[in-house]
Amino acid sequence: DAKTTQPPSMDCAEGRAANLPCNHSTISGNEYVYWYRQIHSQGPQYIIHGLKNNETNEMASLIITEDRKSSTLILPHATLRDTAVYYCIVRVPREDGNEKLTFGTGTRLTIIP
Amino acid sequence: NAGVTQTPKFQVLKTGQSMTLQCAQDMNHEYMSWYRQDPGMGLRLIHYSVGAGITDQGEVPNGYNVSRSTTEDFPLRLLSAAPSQTSVYFCASSYSIGTDTQYFGPGTRLTVL
Repeated sequence: DAKTTQPPSMDCAEGRAANLPCNHSTISGNEYVYWYRQIHSQGPQYIIHGLKNNETNEMASLIITEDRKSSTLILPHATLRDTAVYYCIVRVPREDGNEKLTFGTGTRLTIIP
Repeated sequence: NAGVTQTPKFQVLKTGQSMTLQCAQDMNHEYMSWYRQDPGMGLRLIHYSVGAGITDQGEVPNGYNVSRSTTEDFPLRLLSAAPSQTSVYFCASSYSIGTDTQYFGPGTRLTVL
């Protein structure tokens, strides 16, 4: 699975859009981009994923560049409950079950009141 | 749905003791897995199961056993606890292998003295 690079920390004002970048310059054609987050002391929570096209769900939007070497997770109206560590993961969904969700160190997002 | 539940939330063991971490899901998911999370190490896969009666080893299986007698339950057994097994343990499930979304439990924080 391709390696990802994320800034270690970011701040965002409450109510504003939080834009979290992720570089994955070695991504291959069949690898998906996934985003999870982990709120302090809780289990990781799935946010969104995509392959080529931009994606949106009730939690966030995912913007993937045309060359797929980077992506941005957008939380449109950040709240204090969005304070968490956000992980960008690039992987091919395994068909044998032997998942290796390499979360890395992620971006610690702090929402400022 | 309760989702993925784990018990206990906290546990302290002495070296050499054995115990079982419980994991249950009520979403009729076929795939279940156990991870451990250590500071600076991200998540590492211990064991996984692609269905009742089927289990396999992940990245770090030594010192742990699992069984999957029902779709709902996937207990993790520590045979003889060691200080190196001090960690936070997460159970996860998903509808099928290779699927996008894994749902994580709240975790069990284990300390081995």
